[in-house]
Amino acid sequence: DAGVIQSPRHEVTEMGQEVTLRCKPISGHNSLFWYRQTMMRGLELLIYFNNNVPIDDSGMPEDRFSAKMPNASFSTLKIQPSEPRDSAVYFCASTRAANSPLHFGNGTRLTVT
Amino acid sequence: QKEVEQDPGPLSVPEGAIVSLNCTYSNSAFQYFMWYRQYSRKGPELLMYTYSSGNKEDGRFTAQVDKSSKYISLFIRDSQPSDSATYLCAMWGANAGKSTFGDGTTLTVKP
Repeated sequence: DAGVIQSPRHEVTEMGQEVTLRCKPISGHNSLFWYRQTMMRGLELLIYFNNNVPIDDSGMPEDRFSAKMPNASFSTLKIQPSEPRDSAVYFCASTRAANSPLHFGNGTRLTVT
Repeated sequence: QKEVEQDPGPLSVPEGAIVSLNCTYSNSAFQYFMWYRQYSRKGPELLMYTYSSGNKEDGRFTAQVDKSSKYISLFIRDSQPSDSATYLCAMWGANAGKSTFGDGTTLTVKP
């Protein structure tokens, strides 16, 4: 079991650029979550999918953020255009059932200058 | 007011001390209670997972849930420098569909 795989581990970009974060959940897990973590706001849920369908995107901060899950083994979180306040660590997590614990990836550290 | 409030810390203790980490919550529908440990530059990893009220022990770690008081705790006995991390409580209920996390408590265990 390779765990949840996220790429890239680090991303540094300039304000206004498009950023795409990628996630491969654990095989067999039906739910996938995108979180953002900062010192000020802690761990925030952005969006989650069940069986590849977005269920709750109320945490997505603005229209600049979008997420897709084209199949059970891949998801992307896109920020376009990026802003300095988007700088944070973005985590992807997956789980096999709603009441089961989450398995987190090691995150993507995003810096927008 | 947040659904889950976690003692903010940071907490610094000497090696061998007993550590108590605590969370309170407001949603009485929460049924599953979790503690995650997060090392620096890593993702959170599950430490303890309990259902409803009671205690659960795993080695040096004990998770305690008191649903009547809406209060959960994680106790660490004989704390070690390797326990230095941020600890996050999380809760799930069928009406939510997703886990709700506390803000985390950063623990440092000094040798």
